Amino acid sequence: NAGVMQNPRHLVRRRGQEARLRCSPMKGHSHVYWYRQLPEEGLKFMVYLQKENIIDESGMPKERFSAEFPKEGPSILRIQQVVRGDSAAYFCASSNSGGAGDTQYFGPGTRLTVL
Amino acid sequence: AQKITQTQPGMFVQEKEAVTLDCTYDTSDQSYGLFWYKQPSSGEMIFLIYQGSYDEQNATEGRYSLNFQKARKSANLVISASQLGDSAMYFCAMILSGTYKYIFGTGTRLKVLA
Repeated sequence: NAGVMQNPRHLVRRRGQEARLRCSPMKGHSHVYWYRQLPEEGLKFMVYLQKENIIDESGMPKERFSAEFPKEGPSILRIQQVVRGDSAAYFCASSNSGGAGDTQYFGPGTRLTVL
Repeated sequence: AQKITQTQPGMFVQEKEAVTLDCTYDTSDQSYGLFWYKQPSSGEMIFLIYQGSYDEQNATEGRYSLNFQKARKSANLVISASQLGDSAMYFCAMILSGTYKYIFGTGTRLKVLA
């Protein structure tokens, strides 16, 4: 019974490069959420996706960040032209449905370090 | 605005004793859910316990219980018989009915002493 999987667990990029973070939801889950955790802070919502649809991206920075959840394969969070301020832990969560009270199960996170 | 407040940045507890981690929330909604997650040093987020706003009884899961006081808007986590493996960061989170965004507090770092 595999949980939410994220890879890579650690990612190092130089300023200006692209970062690609992957998330495979729990089996049977079709709702995916991305959160960002800055050092010593709680998680902040970024985006909510269902298969092939972005439902809410209100927490995503307007530039350089994008997310997708294709029909086949994992959800991808893409950060173009990374800057030092993008250094953070990025968590993916999945749920069976998208309502309140439906527990979101988190992956282990990807720790992005921008040099 | 909806908000979660965790006022204890760090806590110490002796092994085998009970500890309470504080969480207060701010919302005008009547329907919401409250969660606690544990984040060990390895970094993953582990779901511990859930309380719905209409649940009349406090939630319990093994050694974890949630002391839900709706009028005070508090949802404190109680860990009984602390173990060394309980040393971690603990986050309180809220989700409003009809939404899907968790709102997290800033966390409490718990250290269990042998």
